[in-house]
Amino acid sequence: DAGVIQSPRHEVTEMGQEVTLRCKPISGHNSLFWYRQTMMRGLELLIYFNNNVPIDDSGMPEDRFSAKMPNASFSTLKIQPSEPRDSAVYFCASSLRTALRDRGRPSPYEQYFGPGTRLTVT
Amino acid sequence: KQEVTQIPAALSVPEGENLVLNCSFTDSAIYNLQWFRQDPGKGLTSLLLIQSSQREQTSGRLNASLDKSSGRSTLYIAASQPGDSATYLCAVSHTGFQKLVFGTGTRLLVSP
Repeated sequence: DAGVIQSPRHEVTEMGQEVTLRCKPISGHNSLFWYRQTMMRGLELLIYFNNNVPIDDSGMPEDRFSAKMPNASFSTLKIQPSEPRDSAVYFCASSLRTALRDRGRPSPYEQYFGPGTRLTVT
Repeated sequence: KQEVTQIPAALSVPEGENLVLNCSFTDSAIYNLQWFRQDPGKGLTSLLLIQSSQREQTSGRLNASLDKSSGRSTLYIAASQPGDSATYLCAVSHTGFQKLVFGTGTRLLVSP
């Protein structure tokens, strides 16, 4: 498997513009997470989905942020309008949520991260 | 609110040394604890995951232990190598939830 895929890897945009970040989770995983990493606040969970349904979006900072997961293999994180304080690295992660631990399968809930999107808003 | 702390924030050692990274958390009602490695400008790589019912996990030169009641975990790296240089993060999840709360990380530099 190619792992978690994120695009773009780098995004530079002007304040006020709309930004869309994309994520393709590992095939077969049923949970997807969006994180943000900054020097000041470290890694923070923004939102996560189970079976394409948003479960916890308490980390989404403002209404300017929205996330969707239209199917099991694709998710977007949108910022509209963007502001300079949104500059950060945004990571997507996926995991296999299961109550059973089968031999040879990943541990339940172990999260696998994508390479991240470095967003700069000027 | 769960808080995760990692000590030290930075560590520099010569190649070949054994070392220990520390992670502490304030709420012991965790489901699991995961150790990650992050290289500069890169994403996170999962190293080890310890379920709350386990005491330790091993992978190669890495050994992670968990003392849930005292809210502590350690990551032991044996015979360190320059390639081990990276930032190491620990993260915990709570029972019934999947969201990870991350520590602040330990930046490790192993010099040849």
